[in-house]
Amino acid sequence: AQRVTQPEKLLSVFKGAPVELKCNYSYSGSPELFWYVQYSRQRLQLLLRHISRESIKGFTADLNKGETSFHLKKPFAQEEDSAMYYCALKGNTGGFKTIFGAGTRLFVKA
Amino acid sequence: SQTIHQWPATLVQPVGSPLSLECTVEGTSNPNLYWYRQAAGRGLQLLFYSVGIGQISSEVPQNLSASRPQDRQFILSSKKLLLSDSGFYLCAWSSQVNTEAFFGQGTRLTVV
Repeated sequence: AQRVTQPEKLLSVFKGAPVELKCNYSYSGSPELFWYVQYSRQRLQLLLRHISRESIKGFTADLNKGETSFHLKKPFAQEEDSAMYYCALKGNTGGFKTIFGAGTRLFVKA
Repeated sequence: SQTIHQWPATLVQPVGSPLSLECTVEGTSNPNLYWYRQAAGRGLQLLFYSVGIGQISSEVPQNLSASRPQDRQFILSSKKLLLSDSGFYLCAWSSQVNTEAFFGQGTRLTVV
């Protein structure tokens, strides 16, 4: 079964500190992994996807198939990074549905 | 460009009343369509998804149903609302090829 686990509901860090939002997944095939972000009073939107191997707003995420993880990292957190972050998985079967984790709320303190 | 519309933005309904939330997509054809519920502390829960007209898959047993009468229209319904149906409902679409999901603004439903 498809499953996405984000163990931390809340993460609080100081500005300038490194941040890592954890995501583990369960899928029997080759999924696509994503990170979505929802800033206050804005729509949920895509932050980055693993196939792009890109850095967006200083965030990166590496897919580790051995550990079935897709942790989101940023070396120096900024106050504007405060938001709700969701890890998501899209399978290549079953209608290509997208499953989301429970989300992690990130607070970056001044 | 593609856009997604979801309405109403907020809704207050009495227990036992019917529900109809509508979502439409413009600028694309044959999208995958999704209904999610976003609950505090429980994240984003997939309720229904559809890969084509009349094709609906339900992810969790519940008091809600979904329909897709047209290619780019997705409706979330209930015959009789329960208090537990309160929440924030999000509609989303993705293309059959590209995999990113695009979300509507959401509907805040309060059942009283």
